[in-house]
Amino acid sequence: SSELTQDPAVSAALGQTVRITCRGDSLRSYYANWFQQKPGQAPLLVVYGKNIRPSGIPDRFSGSSSGNTASLTITGAQAEDEADYYCNSRDRYQVFFGGGTKLTVL
Amino acid sequence: QVQLQESGPGLVKPSQTLSLTCTVSGGAMSSSGYFWSWIRQYPGKGLEWIGYIHHSGSTYYNPSLKSRIAVSVDTSKNQFSLNVSSVTAADTAVYYCARDQGGSGAMDVWGRGTTVTVSS
Repeated sequence: SSELTQDPAVSAALGQTVRITCRGDSLRSYYANWFQQKPGQAPLLVVYGKNIRPSGIPDRFSGSSSGNTASLTITGAQAEDEADYYCNSRDRYQVFFGGGTKLTVL
Repeated sequence: QVQLQESGPGLVKPSQTLSLTCTVSGGAMSSSGYFWSWIRQYPGKGLEWIGYIHHSGSTYYNPSLKSRIAVSVDTSKNQFSLNVSSVTAADTAVYYCARDQGGSGAMDVWGRGTTVTVSS
């Protein structure tokens, strides 16, 4: 299946740890990648593959996976982390995105 | 540092063909291992992968759009392009180009996006 399911919204207090999940059958075979998008901006890759952070991404962002579920964890959420977060993955022939999770930092 | 920039008309009439170009600067498209992607985002909505191309010319498309889209590459100009035929209002979106690592979906460089409106 080419579907990835994300919770529409999640909130966390400033400094708390927050986990954003992504579920889909493809995740049993392929890694999830995670993107952060702020209003009016292009998405930004924050974690990809087996928990790899691109240069410049703070180490409070980490990724993990188990079975059909991938997770993005922000350890000690900051105000600037408030954004939409998208996972994506692939199968043999295509790439597909989850519906996105809106993170509110309280 | 690689940068991507989308260009093309911001307004397209229904039933016509939408054509966009992405210009890559700061690096050669023929660098091995990368695929060059198009993604779109409806107003206030999520992301939709349209398709990608390798510099060799191999293409992969979203099955739901496959009959109407074509992606091509011109490595001599360091550009790749998207054509979407028979557009309707449902094709109104922000269109992004991006560099994808090995076709994995890990899009590590994005253009700023260009808004395309389909309207008569």
